Amino acid sequence: DVKVTQSSRYLVKRTGEKVFLECVQDMDHENMFWYRQDPGLGLRLIYFSYDVKMKEKGDIPEGYSVSREKKERFSLILESASTNQTSMYLCASSQTASGSNEQFFGPGTRLTVL
Amino acid sequence: QQPVQSPQAVILREGEDAVINCSSSKALYSVHWYRQKHGEAPVFLMILLKGGEQKGHDKISASFNEKKQQSSLYLTASQLSYSGTYFCGTETSGTYKYIFGTGTRLKVLA
Repeated sequence: DVKVTQSSRYLVKRTGEKVFLECVQDMDHENMFWYRQDPGLGLRLIYFSYDVKMKEKGDIPEGYSVSREKKERFSLILESASTNQTSMYLCASSQTASGSNEQFFGPGTRLTVL
Repeated sequence: QQPVQSPQAVILREGEDAVINCSSSKALYSVHWYRQKHGEAPVFLMILLKGGEQKGHDKISASFNEKKQQSSLYLTASQLSYSGTYFCGTETSGTYKYIFGTGTRLKVLA
């Protein structure tokens, strides 16, 4: 059974803290994605990675960075958390970069920044 | 720019049909459809590739009109299990970026 796991389901942090969200996939997928989901705005792409150590900006990369040191792991980093980064964060993976492959999503991390 | 989904929300009775539309302002390479139930991760329904194809999956099917940069999801004889939020995800040619629409909330009543 294919799996994408995220390190936490719920996280509460203070403004200014550095926050790490971890995502691991066990499908040997090449591509991994980070989205944030907010009511009425759908899923918005933050960053994606099509290979180890490679990354591309999505639509809303400001305030975020990512790291992919190993194929199975993709980390999202909030350098200095702010209240407007309170959101649901979803990680996904797909086999290759092309559009012909479905994305598998993790369960999400609900982050609250106080 | 996010694709536009319509309607934003729809309520159906069991057995009724529904159509959800997804329009993009950019040329599309592929369109994905996902369903997300409350508190759960989005789950893949189907992919349509450039070429204007139509696909079906049980009583859910979809079409992709690349000239109009539109896709439609058809839900036939809806069941209670169809309730959830439906998202289209679009990929413009050569970008490898998936941009999702804002979602359509669908509720099926008994």
